[in-house]
Amino acid sequence: SAVISQKPSRDICQRGTSLTIQCQVDSQVTMMFWYRQQPGQSLTLIATANQGSEATYESGFVIDKFPISRPNLTFSTLTVSNMSPEDSSIYLCSVEGLGTANTGELFFGEGSRLTVL
Amino acid sequence: GENVEQHPSTLSVQEGDSAVIKCTYSDSASNYFPWYKQELGKRPQLIIDIRSNVGEKKDQRIAVTLNKTAKHFSLHITETQPEDSAVYFCAAGGRYKLSFGAGTTVTVRA
Repeated sequence: SAVISQKPSRDICQRGTSLTIQCQVDSQVTMMFWYRQQPGQSLTLIATANQGSEATYESGFVIDKFPISRPNLTFSTLTVSNMSPEDSSIYLCSVEGLGTANTGELFFGEGSRLTVL
Repeated sequence: GENVEQHPSTLSVQEGDSAVIKCTYSDSASNYFPWYKQELGKRPQLIIDIRSNVGEKKDQRIAVTLNKTAKHFSLHITETQPEDSAVYFCAAGGRYKLSFGAGTTVTVRA
């Protein structure tokens, strides 16, 4: 398993501002994933972050809006830029489990709940 | 890309009864099918998963079945208990890429 810490756990932000979410993992991982969960909705993959290279974004998500950093194998940040109320969501960091079978199981952080006024 | 549909969206069962949630997927290349449970205000946590080379898997009161030909898989919870109340998400895909269903809110009535 993996221990994943996210900061902040929640925040209230003003429209037009930006917020950076941090994700720290207790072991080295190749891939880190950022998901968005809008209120009462499912999980949607924003991007995959690989250490040492540009993040890969899913359809509907762009780097200018959601810049990601991945400076080392245990840390990543996601910035939500120029926020609007539609960005109010829970943002979840996740990593793949490191079991011997390399099963592909995803472990999620506790999430960062953003409210944009 | 992969499209996962999940039914029902809500499910209310009497304690002790069984609960069944069904999902369909579109991409025949998908080979990994996990189920996640999310309690209110908590992170999603894996409860069971199945791979495309297996038709059924069981873990105590929870079982998952997979029909690759029909592209559907199901979660079965037997002898439901109040602590089974949560939102359940199915997902389909492969390594590094999962698409999630819309979720099923399960309520177990005492």
